Amino acid sequence: NAGVTQTPKFQVLKTGQSMTLQCAQDMNHEYMSWYRQDPGMGLRLIHYSVGAGITDQGEVPNGYNVSRSTTEDFPLRLLSAAPSQTSVYFCASRFGYNEQFFGPGTRLTVL
Amino acid sequence: SQQGEEDPQALSIQEGENATMNCSYKTSINNLQWYRQNSGRGLVHLILIRSNEREKHSGRLRVTLDTSKKSSSLLITASRAADTASYFCVQGGSEKLVFGKGTKLTVNP
Repeated sequence: NAGVTQTPKFQVLKTGQSMTLQCAQDMNHEYMSWYRQDPGMGLRLIHYSVGAGITDQGEVPNGYNVSRSTTEDFPLRLLSAAPSQTSVYFCASRFGYNEQFFGPGTRLTVL
Repeated sequence: SQQGEEDPQALSIQEGENATMNCSYKTSINNLQWYRQNSGRGLVHLILIRSNEREKHSGRLRVTLDTSKKSSSLLITASRAADTASYFCVQGGSEKLVFGKGTKLTVNP
């Protein structure tokens, strides 16, 4: 199993650009989540999904969109990047109420 | 809120000493989970304790759970420099897993 994979590892954007952060898992987990982590801070939940076709907002959803067309994939879209979105983004998945598996993260800088 | 709150925010100890971190939560839980994050990396699951358990061990880790006080503690025995990391607790048993700010542990050689 590859676990949870994220691409790209690093990305630099200009203000106003859009992009999609990719996340995939091969463990057939129904739950998937996106978090952002700013320096010295904990993780803040952006969006989450409890299964294909079902998504919901977390703590900081503004400026981000998600979709879940398959069990495996959960992409995160930045519609119009802003410097405040400079952060490290983590994708995670789990089966039921069990342990959560995290991807390696994407470091995003918005200039 | 489903967020766990870790205490202390930072802890510095010498190699070989024990490290204890605490977690408080506000709502009833199905389980409580502890995670570790090494600098710049993704979180790694350490241990899950269910609401009907009071204590659980995994190697040098010991977790306790007191549901009457809505609190948990993580004990790392005989700490090593490699244990230097941030540690997070999270309430399991819901669709959303919301993390706190964690405890930053530094183990000095």
